[in-house]
Amino acid sequence: DVKVTQSSRYLVKRTGEKVFLECVQDMDHENMFWYRQDPGLGLRLIYFSYDVKMKEKGDIPEGYSVSREKKERFSLILESASTNQTSMYLCASSFGVLVSPLHFGNGTRLTVT
Amino acid sequence: GNSVTQMEGPVTLSEEAFLTINCTYTATGYPSLFWYVQYPGEGLQLLLKATKADDKGSNKGFEATYRKETTSFHLEKGSVQVSDSAVYFCALSDQNTGTASKLTFGTGTRLQVTL
Repeated sequence: DVKVTQSSRYLVKRTGEKVFLECVQDMDHENMFWYRQDPGLGLRLIYFSYDVKMKEKGDIPEGYSVSREKKERFSLILESASTNQTSMYLCASSFGVLVSPLHFGNGTRLTVT
Repeated sequence: GNSVTQMEGPVTLSEEAFLTINCTYTATGYPSLFWYVQYPGEGLQLLLKATKADDKGSNKGFEATYRKETTSFHLEKGSVQVSDSAVYFCALSDQNTGTASKLTFGTGTRLQVTL
């Protein structure tokens, strides 16, 4: 089974802090994604990557950056956390360029106070 | 751009009732369609998918048919169980991006099944 592991289940950070959310997958997937999930808004794509060191903006990239130095790891960075970034963050991965199912981690619930 | 519209929840049903969760979409080209399920405290899991018009995806008693003429992909199950209580997300994949398999998700529909 594909395993997508997010480093933290819950995080509490203060406004202005730099925050790192880590995600690791063990199935050699080319594609990795960061979504945020908010009530009434569903899942919104923040950034994705289809190869090492490659990244593309999703629908809501403002206030976020990402890093993919190794194929199995995709990090989401909040340069200066704000209260409106309080949310559930979901990492996902998938194979190749063809349409293939996403495999999700269990999520990180981030609270910014 | 692409979009997915799902019926608002929560949907509350008694065990063994028939389930329908409506999903319609707007997309250019020929998207693939998916249903994902999120159980409490977990990430999303793929429930079923359909990649072309008139395809029927099915899994665990759930099914959905890709209807291009009505741009719909409604989820159905003949007899729900308490263990089906979860949030269900309809999604489409833009096959025209040429890169990663990006998905556009609906807002999710919470299903609560009671004894």
